[in-house]
Amino acid sequence: GQQLNQSPQSMFIQEGEDVSMNCTSSSIFNTWLWYKQEPGEGPVLLIALYKAGELTSNGRLTAQFGITRKDSFLNISASIPSDVGIYFCAGQRHLNFGNEKLTFGTGTRLTIIP
Amino acid sequence: IAGITQAPTSQILAAGRRMTLRCTQDMRHNAMYWYRQDLGLGLRLIHYSNTAGTTGKGEVPDGYSVSRANTDDFPLTLASAVPSQTSVYFCASRAQGLGNTEAFFGQGTRLTVV
Repeated sequence: GQQLNQSPQSMFIQEGEDVSMNCTSSSIFNTWLWYKQEPGEGPVLLIALYKAGELTSNGRLTAQFGITRKDSFLNISASIPSDVGIYFCAGQRHLNFGNEKLTFGTGTRLTIIP
Repeated sequence: IAGITQAPTSQILAAGRRMTLRCTQDMRHNAMYWYRQDLGLGLRLIHYSNTAGTTGKGEVPDGYSVSRANTDDFPLTLASAVPSQTSVYFCASRAQGLGNTEAFFGQGTRLTVV
């Protein structure tokens, strides 16, 4: 199956620091998505990217869809304690209408040190 | 409250037993999915359904079956559980169509097979 390589696997940072994580794939995706999962919860969508080169922000979060359509990054500026969680990238290929499945990365676990 | 509901929230199951994980959504979404989440492997697709009456195999379908008798329900069955099926299982749903890409996740079912 398709593989999404997400890095880093984990991050330990101090409050106020900026965070950067990325995903790369051997295959082209038409859409890139970034999800966050908090303990005991399911993933929740943060940002969706639909076009190669697109740069989108959601508050302190910024994500970009790579020009090659094989990669994406997520940046979090000035981290705060509630940013703790696991961040997943997900790629989607539009095979045909009604058959758009998501492939998830392995996740980046973010821990904030007080 | 609108959303997607999974039951049970956790279960300890003896190997060889049959188990059905329930998933119900009230958002009238066409597509539904079952994922398993394992440490270091992210979310892997087990089975999916693009619309009521149809199902398809995902990345890791062996040992699992699904049915989609109506729009709202998408149960996942383990016919004869094995320890390697110990995992956290997430059900998700989304409205079909290009651009309607947000998948909503349930809170998960933590299954331990002993």
